Amino acid sequence: ELKVEQNPLFLSMQEGKNYTIYCNYSTTSDRLYWYRQDPGKSLESLFVLLSNGAVKQEGRLMASLDTKARLSTLHITAAVHDLSATYFCAVDVNTGNQFYFGTGTSLTVIP
Amino acid sequence: GAGVSQSPSNKVTEKGKDVELRCDPISGHTALYWYRQSLGQGLEFLIYFQGNSAPDKSGLPSDRFSAERTGGSVSTLTIQRTQQEDSAVYLCASSLDRPDLVMLRQYFGPGTRLTVT
Repeated sequence: ELKVEQNPLFLSMQEGKNYTIYCNYSTTSDRLYWYRQDPGKSLESLFVLLSNGAVKQEGRLMASLDTKARLSTLHITAAVHDLSATYFCAVDVNTGNQFYFGTGTSLTVIP
Repeated sequence: GAGVSQSPSNKVTEKGKDVELRCDPISGHTALYWYRQSLGQGLEFLIYFQGNSAPDKSGLPSDRFSAERTGGSVSTLTIQRTQQEDSAVYLCASSLDRPDLVMLRQYFGPGTRLTVT
């Protein structure tokens, strides 16, 4: 079974700072997805990364994918309080139903 | 426009009862997905529909779980003989398509919180 590990699991950062969340996975895949979940809410799709070297950016968030290293990163630039949420990555292996989520990273941005 | 809706929003049931969860996707979205989220297991992918067809049902946790989709729209997830470990939030999402099994941007419903007592 594919393993998807995120780190850190918990992240507390000050407004205005930069940080990176890492997502490692254990098998070959070139499809990586990032989601956001606010407390008590459902999921929101953030990024779809479909090839080695893919980079997507939206606002203060930028996601990248290195399929050779089996690593995706979610970089936060100049964090603001509104970014406080739990972020999940997910990987699928092109089989239709083998789709695995990471454990999530709970981000708290402190004013 | 209307987003993905799910009903009920909360369901409390006794162990051994059957439950049916409903998902109304965004109009025109051909792909529909079911997930569940629990404290013990995290987020799990359950099943995917392209139109009315679910190509692979192996993600369903046990044979007590079944899902169907009719008219390329509404989907129901049925859990028979519920067990306490079925307690979770069941999420539904839809997207325009899933070309070559690539998940395009998904839109999630608010979820159904199932509690089995």
